[in-house]
Amino acid sequence: GNSVTQMEGPVTLSEEAFLTINCTYTATGYPSLFWYVQYPGEGLQLLLKATKADDKGSNKGFEATYRKETTSFHLEKGSVQVSDSAVYFCARLDSGYSTLTFGKGTMLLVSP
Amino acid sequence: ETGVTQTPRHLVMGMTNKKSLKCEQHLGHNAMYWYKQSAKKPLELMFVYSLEERVENNSVPSRFSPECPNSSHLFLHLHTLQPEDSALYLCASSLETSSHYEQYFGPGTRLTVT
Repeated sequence: GNSVTQMEGPVTLSEEAFLTINCTYTATGYPSLFWYVQYPGEGLQLLLKATKADDKGSNKGFEATYRKETTSFHLEKGSVQVSDSAVYFCARLDSGYSTLTFGKGTMLLVSP
Repeated sequence: ETGVTQTPRHLVMGMTNKKSLKCEQHLGHNAMYWYKQSAKKPLELMFVYSLEERVENNSVPSRFSPECPNSSHLFLHLHTLQPEDSALYLCASSLETSSHYEQYFGPGTRLTVT
């Protein structure tokens, strides 16, 4: 079936460090790919998306590139801030279906 | 401001109570969703409504009963819940005009069953 796998957390970084959170998906169909972020006590917010191979999604300094050859959609940020501490979810949406398939989420903790 | 609101934000209920969760979207969307988020588990899709018709029900126990009276409102009626039903319940909405519709989430209702 269609699935999404994320690296397990927590990921613990110091402020201004480089961030990578890995995400891979099963190579079935032509999904759209998303990163959602959940800050403490809140719901999920769409962070960025990519709808086809080689697309790069970006927002708030975060980037992810849809890599069909490696079935990956890794999230990166060049310099994290304490305010980026949250849980990040990778997700896929398959054509013809209205439902998202989420990864388990990766907690990011950024210390000053 | 996500455009999707949920009430109440927190709810504590006994196993014999009946309560309802409410979701409202102000985005002009035509599909709405209920998710359950439990600690250390992936988000679980519970129900999907498209154009006010239920199109998906992922083997959710009958003690959870959804209702979608119009495209802007979604309810989740709860009765005789179990302690393991304690979780964050998230509502989402989307606009189904293409094959790449994004879902917008509400802040969730934190439910505790005692």
